[in-house]
Amino acid sequence: DAKTTQPTSMDCAEGRAANLPCNHSTISGNEYVYWYRQIHSQGPQYIIHGLKNNETNEMASLIITEDRKSSTLILPHATLRDTAVYYCIVRSAFGNEKLTFGTGTRLTIIP
Amino acid sequence: DTGVSQDPRHKITKRGQNVTFRCDPISEHNRLYWYRQTLGQGPEFLTYFQNEAQLEKSRLLSDRFSAERPKGSFSTLEIQRTEQGDSAMYLCASSLPRIGANVLTFGAGSRLTVL
Repeated sequence: DAKTTQPTSMDCAEGRAANLPCNHSTISGNEYVYWYRQIHSQGPQYIIHGLKNNETNEMASLIITEDRKSSTLILPHATLRDTAVYYCIVRSAFGNEKLTFGTGTRLTIIP
Repeated sequence: DTGVSQDPRHKITKRGQNVTFRCDPISEHNRLYWYRQTLGQGPEFLTYFQNEAQLEKSRLLSDRFSAERPKGSFSTLEIQRTEQGDSAMYLCASSLPRIGANVLTFGAGSRLTVL
């Protein structure tokens, strides 16, 4: 699976949009981009995933560049409960079943 | 939907003792995964099952570690002769079999402290 690069930490003001970048320059055509987050002392929580097109659900939006080498997770109106570690993961659609986590981005929402 | 359940949530043991963790996946999920997470790190894959078959094991899963899923439902992860380095959060996840996108649902984890 392709490796991802994320900033170690970010801050965002409460009520503003939080934009979390992820670089996956070696991604291949059959690899999905997944985002999970982990709130302190809890298990990781699935947020969203995408292959080529931008995606939106009730939690967030995922913007994938046209060359698919990077993506951005957008939390439109961040709240204090969004403070967590956010993991960007790339995983093949075939064969290898596990998700490989990096160290993620620690997002702190500031009141 | 009760989600993925893990038990116990916390375990404190002395070095050299054996410990066992249990995971109950979402009922219709036939894939089950174990991960380990140490402080400041992301979760690390240990092993995964499809039904009762253990299909992949990480090199992190030393001989002291054994995982089972005897009837394809719940799973246990046993650590024998625990060492202080085994102190970590042990996470279980489950998923449906699916080609393409495969979303894992994680439990809250079992935190192990080895004294």
